[in-house]
Amino acid sequence: SAVISQKPSRDICQRGTSLTIQCQVDSQVTMMFWYRQQPGQSLTLIATANQGSEATYESGFVIDKFPISRPNLTFSTLTVSNMSPEDSSIYLCSVGLAATGELFFGEGSRLTVL
Amino acid sequence: AQRVTQPEKLLSVFKGAPVELKCNYSYSGSPELFWYVQYSRQRLQLLLRHISRESIKGFTADLNKGETSFHLKKPFAQEEDSAMYYCALSKGGGNKLTFGTGTQLKVEL
Repeated sequence: SAVISQKPSRDICQRGTSLTIQCQVDSQVTMMFWYRQQPGQSLTLIATANQGSEATYESGFVIDKFPISRPNLTFSTLTVSNMSPEDSSIYLCSVGLAATGELFFGEGSRLTVL
Repeated sequence: AQRVTQPEKLLSVFKGAPVELKCNYSYSGSPELFWYVQYSRQRLQLLLRHISRESIKGFTADLNKGETSFHLKKPFAQEEDSAMYYCALSKGGGNKLTFGTGTQLKVEL
């Protein structure tokens, strides 16, 4: 298993600003993912955070809006840039066990953009 | 593209009654299906996956490729089963999951 810590757990932000969310894992993992859960909707994969290379973004998500860092095998950050109220969501970090396909999730970071 | 559908946003049952949470998927290949659960004030966690064919907390789910379904069932609901349940699909065993919109299960006394 894996224990994941996310910071901040919640924040209220002003339109036009940027916020960086941190994700720390208690063990080295190859695969880290960032998901978004908008109010009343399902989880949507934003990108895969790759160690040592650029993140791989899903359709509809771009690096300029959601830059991601992955400096090592236990840590990643997601930045939500130039925020608007539509970015108000819960952002979740997750790591995967390739052997089982199971995902472990952080507690999420709830962002409210005014 | 793959898609997961959970038709019920809320399912309310009485304690001791059978539970069935519906999940249908669309995917042209061989999917792997999962059920994730989120209890109140807890993080999302894996409940079960179809390849394991196991029963977890009394819940089972059978993959029906003909009907493209992966319904979650439990014969007798318990109060502690109240939670949000998400059905999810993985393409070919990778960790990238496509989630359904979730079903809130409420077990009433």
